[in-house]
Amino acid sequence: DAGVIQSPRHEVTEMGQEVTLRCKPISGHNSLFWYRQTMMRGLELLIYFNNNVPIDDSGMPEDRFSAKMPNASFSTLKIQPSEPRDSAVYFCASSGIDNSPLHFGNGTRLTVT
Amino acid sequence: AQSVTQPDIHITVSEGASLELRCNYSYGATPYLFWYVQSPGQGLQLLLKYFSGDTLVQGIKGFEAEFKRSQSSFNLRKPSVHWSDAAEYFCAPLRDGGSEKLVFGKGTKLTVNP
Repeated sequence: DAGVIQSPRHEVTEMGQEVTLRCKPISGHNSLFWYRQTMMRGLELLIYFNNNVPIDDSGMPEDRFSAKMPNASFSTLKIQPSEPRDSAVYFCASSGIDNSPLHFGNGTRLTVT
Repeated sequence: AQSVTQPDIHITVSEGASLELRCNYSYGATPYLFWYVQSPGQGLQLLLKYFSGDTLVQGIKGFEAEFKRSQSSFNLRKPSVHWSDAAEYFCAPLRDGGSEKLVFGKGTKLTVNP
C-alpha cells in the first residue's frame, strides 16, 4: 500500500499564476478529501468526493478554487489566479467504507509570492 | 452544527511524565470520534477511534482515549511520554450517518523536554 500520494511536495509561484495540485488516493478508497492547513485557521475542509462525485464544496474559499476527480485514482485542486493569501499546506486524504478513518498524504506546501 | 474544541494550544511535558490532551465536542447525538497526530512536515496519522461500545479505547504508540458522554469529552492520554511523541494532535468528530466529513479541532502542539 503506497498510501495517498500528493504532488508536488513544494510549489512556489507568483501571484496571478495558475497552480494545480495533484492527488492519488489509496486504491479501493471511494472518498477523497482536500484540506488546507494554515497557522491562523488550522485544518479546513475544502471539498470532498464520494465515488468521484463532489458531495460538499462549501469549504472552497471562492471561485478561484476548483477541484476535479475524473476517475477513482486521481484528483486535482486548481487555483487560478493564485494570490499570496492562498499560501498554505494542502492535504489530500482518502477513506474507504462509511465512517472509516482518513488516510492523509504528506501535503503540498504552496507559497505564492 | 457540529464542532470540536481543543482548549490547549500548546502543552509542554517532561519525558516520562503522563499526558492528557483535552477534546470537547458539540453535537446532539454521539459522534464517531478520532484522534490524529501530525509530525512536522507530515500528513495526519490516525492514533485511535471511537465508534461505540467500550468507552476506553486503545490506540497506537501507547495512547488511549476515554469517551465521556456526560462531559462531551474525548480526552487523549498516555502514561509516560517519549521524546518522539512531540507533534501536533488533532481531535475530530464525524457526524453519524450522512456526510462523512471530519471537523478538526485547532490542534494541540506537544513539546517534550528531556
